[in-house]
Amino acid sequence: QSVLTQPPSVSGAPGQRVTISCTGSRSNIGAGFDVHWYQQIPGTAPKLLIYGNVNRPSGVPDRFSGSKSGTLASLAITGLQAEDEADYYCQSHDNSLSASLFGGGTRLTVL
Amino acid sequence: QVQLQESGPGLVRPSETLSLTCTVSGDSISSYYWTWIRQPPVKGLEWVGNVYHSGYTDYNPSLKRRLTISVDRSKNHLSLRLTSVTAADTAIYYCARAPRGSSNPMALDRWGQGALVTVSS
Repeated sequence: QSVLTQPPSVSGAPGQRVTISCTGSRSNIGAGFDVHWYQQIPGTAPKLLIYGNVNRPSGVPDRFSGSKSGTLASLAITGLQAEDEADYYCQSHDNSLSASLFGGGTRLTVL
Repeated sequence: QVQLQESGPGLVRPSETLSLTCTVSGDSISSYYWTWIRQPPVKGLEWVGNVYHSGYTDYNPSLKRRLTISVDRSKNHLSLRLTSVTAADTAIYYCARAPRGSSNPMALDRWGQGALVTVSS
C-alpha cells in the first residue's frame, strides 16, 4: 500500500480526456512538497512528464497538464493518443518518513 | 546529449553485496544531483537514495543500514553498494539526474536504461 495513492488503471478512447489522481496526506503533498509525474512505457525507463506540480519539460506536449490542491495532485491528458498507453507515476516527499515517495502507478489503456 | 549507463553483475547471491556503477557521459557529474531508483519486476518505483555534488547523501530509511551511495568525480560516475541482499532486493536499478539546487522531491529529468539485478542462489 503506497503512501501516495493512485488508481491502478484508467482508460479512455482516442481523443478523449482522462485524469489520474495522486492522493497524499498532510505529511507529503499537503505539507507543500512538489509533485512530479513520470510516464513509463513498458520495458523502458521512466520519463519526466510534469515537474513542480504544473510545469512541462521541453518536448512534452501541452496535452499533458498537472495540478495540485491540498493533499491531491492530478495529471490530465487530453486528446488521448495510442502512444499515451503507459504507466504513470506521481512522486513527492514525505516529512514523517524522511523519504521521497512514488505512487503505486496507474496503467493507462487507450481503447 | 548526456547519457547515463548502469553496469554491474546481473546476479548476486543472497547475503552478499550488490554493487552497481552509473557512468555519466556528455556532462560533468559535478553539475547535478543524482538519484538511484529501483523497480522490482512488475511493480512500481522505489526511491533508493540521493547523492549531491558535495558528496552528501540521503537514503531511504528502509535501506539506510545496508546502503552506500558515492560519487567519483575523476571517473565521472556514481556507485551504489547494498549489503546483505535478499530476494526482495531483486529489481531493475536506475540512476537518474536532477538539476543542481533541486529540493526534495528532486525532479529526475534524465534516466539511465536500468540494470536488472537478480538475487538468487
